[in-house]
Amino acid sequence: AQTVTQSQPEMSVQEAETVTLSCTYDTSESDYYLFWYKQPPSRQMILVIRQEAYKQQNATENRFSVNFQKAAKSFSLKISDSQLGDAAMYFCAYRSPNTGNQFYFGTGTSLTVIP
Amino acid sequence: DAGVIQSPRHEVTEMGQEVTLRCKPISGHNSLFWYRQTMMRGLELLIYFNNNVPIDDSGMPEDRFSAKMPNASFSTLKIQPSEPRDSAVYFCASSLRLAGGELFFGEGSRLTVL
Repeated sequence: AQTVTQSQPEMSVQEAETVTLSCTYDTSESDYYLFWYKQPPSRQMILVIRQEAYKQQNATENRFSVNFQKAAKSFSLKISDSQLGDAAMYFCAYRSPNTGNQFYFGTGTSLTVIP
Repeated sequence: DAGVIQSPRHEVTEMGQEVTLRCKPISGHNSLFWYRQTMMRGLELLIYFNNNVPIDDSGMPEDRFSAKMPNASFSTLKIQPSEPRDSAVYFCASSLRLAGGELFFGEGSRLTVL
């Protein structure tokens, strides 16, 4: 099975600064999809950004962008101009089209935003 | 459109009691997933269905857990008998069964077994 690793259990960032959350994955597939989900204290899981593996261009959504390095199997999330509302648990996820479209999640990174 | 709807949002029960968690996926979605989240183990996949058929239930902890999806708009996760170690937040999520489809989560059911 594919594995997703988030090596940073906790991160902190000063408000208005930039922070990068790391994610690596292990796969032998060439076609797959990667996601970052945010879980604020309300516990609702919210999609932040999605990346198709066949696209070389890094996905961006407003202040959120990814650095997708397919050869290195790395998928980091960059949050620019951090806001207090960005404080949450962030999960990296991998979706395989070859194993019933199952999702594999990392263990999460807890992000604190310091005012 | 309504999102994934789970009930109950909170459940407190005593050890040995039966617990049933319910989920209504987003209309038109043909994949449904049940996850359990705890501080110790993080987010664990329990079971998932494609077109109402269970595909992988290897994450179901033991025979005390069972899940059904009698139709495309309803699923249940049952724990019988419940134990304190089952205390967790249980999420239901649905998606379109196509490559790249995102997962939409419900708000979760927080279960406390005393």
